[in-house]
Amino acid sequence: AQRVTQPEKLLSVFKGAPVELKCNYSYSGSPELFWYVQYSRQRLQLLLRHISRESIKGFTADLNKGETSFHLKKPFAQEEDSAMYYCALTGNTPLVFGKGTRLSVIA
Amino acid sequence: EAGVAQSPRYKIIEKRQSVAFWCNPISGHATLYWYQQILGQGPKLLIQFQNNGVVDDSQLPKDRFSAERLKGVDSTLKIQPAKLEDSAVYLCASNLLNTGELFFGEGSRLTVL
Repeated sequence: AQRVTQPEKLLSVFKGAPVELKCNYSYSGSPELFWYVQYSRQRLQLLLRHISRESIKGFTADLNKGETSFHLKKPFAQEEDSAMYYCALTGNTPLVFGKGTRLSVIA
Repeated sequence: EAGVAQSPRYKIIEKRQSVAFWCNPISGHATLYWYQQILGQGPKLLIQFQNNGVVDDSQLPKDRFSAERLKGVDSTLKIQPAKLEDSAVYLCASNLLNTGELFFGEGSRLTVL
């Protein structure tokens, strides 16, 4: 069965500090991993996907198949990064989401 | 480009009553999803449509939930009778192909008293 685990419900960091949002997954096949974000009063939207290997708004995420992880990182947090972040997985099935981590960036 | 539209945004009902939610996906998107998001949890898939056919409804509580997408465009999700534990945000999403990039609506927040 597919499972996505985000161990932290809340992560608070100071502006300018590095950020790492953890995501671990369980899937027997070859997964596709995504990070979705929901800013206050906005709809859930895609932030980035592991296939594209891109940096969006300074965020990057590397798929580590050995550790079954897909942690989201940003070297210098900004106040506008405060939001709910969801890790999600698909393997030829509909997206399965983790429970989410609320990132709070303190000025 | 207009986004995914959902209505109503908020609904309060008493247990055992019925409720229906409506979703209009992005034009041309063949795949439509309904997710349930209970407070403090991530979205959980209820049903996936490809055009007007059901692809996956394995997690839909079929004794009380039903969904349809008759003409392959708009969709409705119905709950009858509602239970307290159905209180959640019901998210509709769509995409052009069956990929992991979903476009979400703003959601319909249901409170069951």
